[in-house]
Amino acid sequence: DIQLTQSPSFLSASIGDRVTITCRASQGIVTYLAWYQQKPGKAPKLLIYSASSLQSGAPARFSGTGSGTEFTLTISSLQPEDFAIYYCQQLNSEPLTFGGGTKVEIK
Amino acid sequence: QVQLVQSGAEVKKPGSSVWVSCKASGDSFINYGINWVRQAPGQGLEWMGGVIPTFATANYAQKFRGRVKMTADESTSTAYLELSNLRSEDTAVYYCARGVFAGRGNSYSGLDVWGQGTTVTVSS
Repeated sequence: DIQLTQSPSFLSASIGDRVTITCRASQGIVTYLAWYQQKPGKAPKLLIYSASSLQSGAPARFSGTGSGTEFTLTISSLQPEDFAIYYCQQLNSEPLTFGGGTKVEIK
Repeated sequence: QVQLVQSGAEVKKPGSSVWVSCKASGDSFINYGINWVRQAPGQGLEWMGGVIPTFATANYAQKFRGRVKMTADESTSTAYLELSNLRSEDTAVYYCARGVFAGRGNSYSGLDVWGQGTTVTVSS
C-alpha cells in the first residue's frame, strides 16, 4: 500500500497568512493526488484534483503543486472559512489511501 | 447539480450486518465510480473500496475483503454498501463518494461529490 505522510499535522495561522501543507508519498504516484477540506460534522469537499487542478467552485486562493512523491497545498491568504482539516489522497493505485490530515486553526 | 443522499443512522449488534444506501439525484451513475470511505470518531479518512456501476465491478481494500460487498443499481441510481460480521471498531461515519475517471483505465482524478454520511454504531 502507498503511504501518505502529511506535514504538519497541526498548524496555527492568522487571517491573511500564506499556508503550505505538504504530502509525501511512499512511492511515485505521478499526479494522481487530490486534496480535500473537511469541517466538523461535514463530508469532505474536493479542492484540488490531479495534483494541481482547481475543482469547480473551490476558491482560487487554493492551489496545488507536485508530482511523483512530493506535493503541496497552498492557501494564498487564509480566510475565516478555511479553518478546517485538510487531507491528501492518492488515486494512483488501490487501496486509495489518505494522508493523516492537517488541522488548520486560528492563531 | 448531482447530490448523493445516504440512508439514515444505524445501531447494530456485534456480529450482525449493516446495509447503507447512496442514491444519486440530478445525474446518473453512468461514467462514474462510487467509492465508500469511512471515518471513525475523531479519526481520519479510510477508503473501503469502490464499484463501477457500468461494469458491475467492485474492488475492496484488503482489510475488508470477505465481509464487505458493494453493489450498484443503475436503474435507480443507487449504490449499496453491506458490511458483515460487525465489531465495535466498525463504529464510524460511512460516506459514499463519486469518483471521476482520470482517463487512465479505471483510475480516478478525485472524489468530487460526497454523500452526507451515515453513522453506524456497533454496540452490544
